[in-house]
Amino acid sequence: EVQLVESGGGLVQPGGSLKLSCAASGFTFSGSAMHWVRQASGKGLEWVGRIRSKANSYATAYAASVKGRFTISRDDSKNTAYLQMNSLKTEDTAVYYCTRHPLTIFGVANWFDPWGQGTLVTVSS
Amino acid sequence: QSALTQPASVSGSPGQSITISCTGTSSDVGSYNLVSWYQQHPGKAPKLMIYEVSKRPSGVSNRFSGSKSGNTASLTISGLQAEDEADYYCCSYAGSSTPWVFGGGTKLTVL
Repeated sequence: EVQLVESGGGLVQPGGSLKLSCAASGFTFSGSAMHWVRQASGKGLEWVGRIRSKANSYATAYAASVKGRFTISRDDSKNTAYLQMNSLKTEDTAVYYCTRHPLTIFGVANWFDPWGQGTLVTVSS
Repeated sequence: QSALTQPASVSGSPGQSITISCTGTSSDVGSYNLVSWYQQHPGKAPKLMIYEVSKRPSGVSNRFSGSKSGNTASLTISGLQAEDEADYYCCSYAGSSTPWVFGGGTKLTVL
């Protein structure tokens, strides 16, 4: 079974840092692009960023709202992706989901499947 | 990059059909056949329902279908069932700068 499990959420003060983890199982993690998507309470989904596979040079991309503050990385030996969040703002408060672009026989897909259960990050003093 | 535009809510009775629109621009929805749709029940993670505009993943009911015309994509659910009541989000590729953009979400109520 393909599974993604996020961890590392919690309460942090504005200006602080937090690192989220996404543990993957049930598929070839090293070949998949990994993404982070967040959702503030009662709000819609917001794409945060992604990291591609080693074959694609571990290329990263970020939403304008987090660029320069957030960093995505991965450890293929541990089947885990990470989201390092620095200089956190109150508006970063959200549930953070890990998801993937799966690797298919045609290459890396362009849809998100599956999603983890999410981890809540609260930025407040 | 602005979010794609979806109606805040739609409703329908069991057995009826509804359509949810997703309007973008010529820089996202209009330029790429890379629109996907996600269903989210309260307190749950999103679930893929449609990918590449109109393709259905294995295990998703054929009551769900997708289409696109110009800068607007649509999700149609036929034969509405109570379990279809959820929030629905569209997503599109938007180019290399900020690759992915979501719609604001549509709450579907089954009357």
